Amino acid sequence: AQKITQTQPGMFVQEKEAVTLDCTYDTSDPSYGLFWYKQPSSGEMIFLIYQGSYDQQNATEGRYSLNFQKARKSANLVISASQLGDSAMYFCAMRRRNTGNQFYFGTGTSLTVIP
Amino acid sequence: DVKVTQSSRYLVKRTGEKVFLECVQDMDHENMFWYRQDPGLGLRLIYFSYDVKMKEKGDIPEGYSVSREKKERFSLILESASTNQTSMYLCASSLEQTQYFGPGTRLLVL
Repeated sequence: AQKITQTQPGMFVQEKEAVTLDCTYDTSDPSYGLFWYKQPSSGEMIFLIYQGSYDQQNATEGRYSLNFQKARKSANLVISASQLGDSAMYFCAMRRRNTGNQFYFGTGTSLTVIP
Repeated sequence: DVKVTQSSRYLVKRTGEKVFLECVQDMDHENMFWYRQDPGLGLRLIYFSYDVKMKEKGDIPEGYSVSREKKERFSLILESASTNQTSMYLCASSLEQTQYFGPGTRLLVL
């Protein structure tokens, strides 16, 4: 069963504008973690941001913020002031504690920043 | 900074060959993981390990085996490579929450 869903295979954004990448997840566990990774064309997966299921506030890391809506089971990534270097694949992932910290990844969203 | 390294960035092998992919981490992490990544499928877990000499099957272990003789090293073995194992292979390690990835190995099986 799909545990992480990313419905946007590709997105375009104008440089300096904000963009939201969607992610929904499926779990009945009370404790879990949500992550976003960036994968440039070089292939390396770069950790961007983390949100714990018990965290009251949305996580932020520089230009990245995670819009966590627990009741809707969504964990969207917001990138503000897009830069050309933001062009990459973005993956949403979930860690479930009761499966021994196993991670589940979505299929990714390809973001292209237009000058 | 966490450092996860993989033995090769690119690898070309022939069908039937035995293939070893090596992963080393320098942060004393307990947990290590092997994924394969294919277009449109995201990352799929092959095997993972929580301790030395310990291994657990992931979602797609068929055709693969692993070895963890030392804490810092986690090897993925393709016993008899096949063309459908052509893929990008990513290794990761973690202590508690976040997984940190190596640069990946692009394997082509001819």
